[in-house]
Amino acid sequence: EVQLVESGGGLVKPGGSLRLSCAASGFTFSSYSMNWVRQAPGKGLEWVSSISSSSSYIYYADSVKGRFTISRDNAKNSLYLQMNSLRAEDTAVYYCARGRPGSGYYYEWGQGTLVTVSS
Amino acid sequence: EIVLTQSPATLSLSPGERATLSCRASQSVSSYLAWYQQKPGQAPRLLIYDASNRATGIPARFSGSGSGTDFTLTISSLEPEDFAVYYCQQRSNWPRGITFGQGTRLEIK
Repeated sequence: EVQLVESGGGLVKPGGSLRLSCAASGFTFSSYSMNWVRQAPGKGLEWVSSISSSSSYIYYADSVKGRFTISRDNAKNSLYLQMNSLRAEDTAVYYCARGRPGSGYYYEWGQGTLVTVSS
Repeated sequence: EIVLTQSPATLSLSPGERATLSCRASQSVSSYLAWYQQKPGQAPRLLIYDASNRATGIPARFSGSGSGTDFTLTISSLEPEDFAVYYCQQRSNWPRGITFGQGTRLEIK
């Protein structure tokens, strides 16, 4: 069974940093691209970032480009999101999501971790 | 950026009724469109991909149609567990520029 478990969320002041993690199990992590998708409280879904299976290709939404960094450690079956220069509008539940090879859809999701940016 | 507009914002129906949800794209996305269901406090669940293909384990009462700019999710006979928020998502410019619609809330009448 595919499992994705996010951690690292919490309360941070504007301008601060946070690092999210996603622990993956139940599949060959190194064979899949991985993604972060977020959802502001009471709002819709927003794609944040994607990374290919070998980290060769990385993409960001314009809203986070230059502030967020996605990475992965295939030996540890883990995905990360380093978030710097956080803003109030980054407040959201952050989901780790797995696609399928050649697909831009999200077949499996973690339960999410809440990031709150507030003074 | 491709904008997806979902309608209606809220749909009030009774169990057993047929639900029709719409998603319109600001430019053609071919058939590269998916539908997700999200219940309160849960992660989204993929229902339909490539406009009309049901994901694994999704009941046959869910069906998707459309291509280009106009898409429809139909639930043929609503079950109590179907009342949730539904999002469409396009992957036309994947791996960049993936966007979601703003959602349709399906509520019990």
